[in-house]
Amino acid sequence: DQQVKQNSPSLSVQEGRISILNCDYTNSMFDYFLWYKKYPAEGPTFLISISSIKDKNEDGRFTVFLNKSAKHLSLHIVPSQPGDSAVYFCAASGPYNTDKLIFGTGTRLQVFP
Amino acid sequence: GAVVSQHPSWVICKSGTSVKIECRSLDFQATTMFWYRQFPKQSLMLMATSNEGSKATYEQGVEKDKFLINHASLTLSTLTVTSAHPEDSSFYICSAVGGSDSTDTQYFGPGTRLTVL
Repeated sequence: DQQVKQNSPSLSVQEGRISILNCDYTNSMFDYFLWYKKYPAEGPTFLISISSIKDKNEDGRFTVFLNKSAKHLSLHIVPSQPGDSAVYFCAASGPYNTDKLIFGTGTRLQVFP
Repeated sequence: GAVVSQHPSWVICKSGTSVKIECRSLDFQATTMFWYRQFPKQSLMLMATSNEGSKATYEQGVEKDKFLINHASLTLSTLTVTSAHPEDSSFYICSAVGGSDSTDTQYFGPGTRLTVL
C-alpha cells in the first residue's frame, strides 16, 4: 500500500513559469512532510519541509502548501529555472527525527527554455 | 547543512562476492542512520534503520543476513551486501539524523551504485 503518492510521473514547464508538484498521503498520523530533489546517480537533496501545524512554508523560490483535511501537499517553484530539472520526491514522517521517511514515487520535472 | 558521505560511489563485483558500503556523517554525530535502495524509476525504499551501538531494524522483506548493517560509531554506518547476486544491483543511499539542526531532516549521502555481474 503506497502511503505517499505522487500521481504525476512527469511535468514539463517553461522557464520562468510556475511549477506545481503534487503529493497525496493516506496516513493521518504523518505530521511532518519534506520535499527532496534528486539528480541521476546522486543522493536526494533536501529542499523544504513543513510541519502539520502549518499550512504554508516558503523558502526563496520554493513554497510548500499543506492541506491536512485533503491529505494533500504541493510544492510550488516560482520562477522555474532549467537547473530545477530533476526528480522531486515528497516524503512524510511521524513527529520524531528518527522516524523513517516514507517516500512518494517521484515526479520528474523538466524546465525548458 | 550537515554533510554525509558514502564510499565507494560505485562498485562492480562478481556474483557471490561481498561488498561493503560506508556511510559517514562528516560534521555531526548521527544517532540514527537509514539505508535506502532505489531501483530505476521507482521510489526510495527503506531497507533498515541503524542506531549507534545497537542492532539494526530491518523493514519487512529485507533479509538481515544478506544485508549486514553495522553502526559502530556516531559517524559511521556500514552496509555489507553478502553473496551478492545480479538482482542486488541497485543504487544504495544512506541518510543520517542527529546534527545540531533542530528540524526533522534526514541528510542523504550521494549514493553508491552497485553492479553485480
